[in-house]
Amino acid sequence: GAGVSQSPSNKVTEKGKDVELRCDPISGHTALYWYRQRLGQGLEFLIYFQGNSAPDKSGLPSDRFSAERTGESVSTLTIQRTQQEDSAVYLCASSFGTGAYKNIQYFGAGTRLSVL
Amino acid sequence: GDSVTQMEGPVTLSEEAFLTINCTYTATGYPSLFWYVQYPGEGLQLLLKATKADDKGSNKGFEATYRKETTSFHLEKGSVQVSDSAVYFCALGVGGYQKVTFGTGTKLQVIP
Repeated sequence: GAGVSQSPSNKVTEKGKDVELRCDPISGHTALYWYRQRLGQGLEFLIYFQGNSAPDKSGLPSDRFSAERTGESVSTLTIQRTQQEDSAVYLCASSFGTGAYKNIQYFGAGTRLSVL
Repeated sequence: GDSVTQMEGPVTLSEEAFLTINCTYTATGYPSLFWYVQYPGEGLQLLLKATKADDKGSNKGFEATYRKETTSFHLEKGSVQVSDSAVYFCALGVGGYQKVTFGTGTKLQVIP
C-alpha cells in the first residue's frame, strides 16, 4: 500500500477484555516495529520483526502482550486482560530491513486504545 | 542503556523567530540520529537524519549536526512558520536493524 495502515483507529474496551490491533506495513518493507505512546510521553519500543528471523520482544511490558507477523505482511498486536494502564496510542512502523534506507521508519497513524 | 534526552515543551515562538530544540543522547557504539515530526492529527514522519559524527541533516529549513564530542543533535531553524507547529522527537538507532530509541517529544507552537 501507499503507507502504513493501522486498524482500528480508535478502540474503547472494558478492563479485562482482550484486544487485537492490526498493522499493514508498506509493501516491500521487511522490518516492522510496534511502539506505545502514553499521553505526554515518548515512544516506547515494544517489538520488532525482521523477515523470518526471531522477533525482538525485549520491549513487551508483560506476558499479556504478544504480537505475530506472517512473513513480511500484516502484523497483529494482542493485549490480553487489558488494564487501565494499557491505555495509550499504539504505533506501528515499517522500514526496509537492510541497505542504505534501513534506518528510515515509516509510521502509521496509530490506534488509540482506551481501557475503561 | 541507550537513551535520548530532549528539552521539555511546550515551546511557544512567534512567527519568524529562531528555533532551537536541544537533544542529547547516550548510546553504545555509533548510533544514527534522527528527528521525527508529528503534525496535529498525523503520524510520525522522518524530518532529518545523520548517520555519523559531524554529519548535518537538513530538511524543510531545519538542520541538526551530529556532535559526537558533546553527544548532541540539536534541532535548529532560522525562521519558524505557523505550519511548523508540531511535536518533534529526537531519536537514535543502533544495531544492525536500527532499533530506535525516542525522546519524549517537544511540542512547538508558533503563533502569528
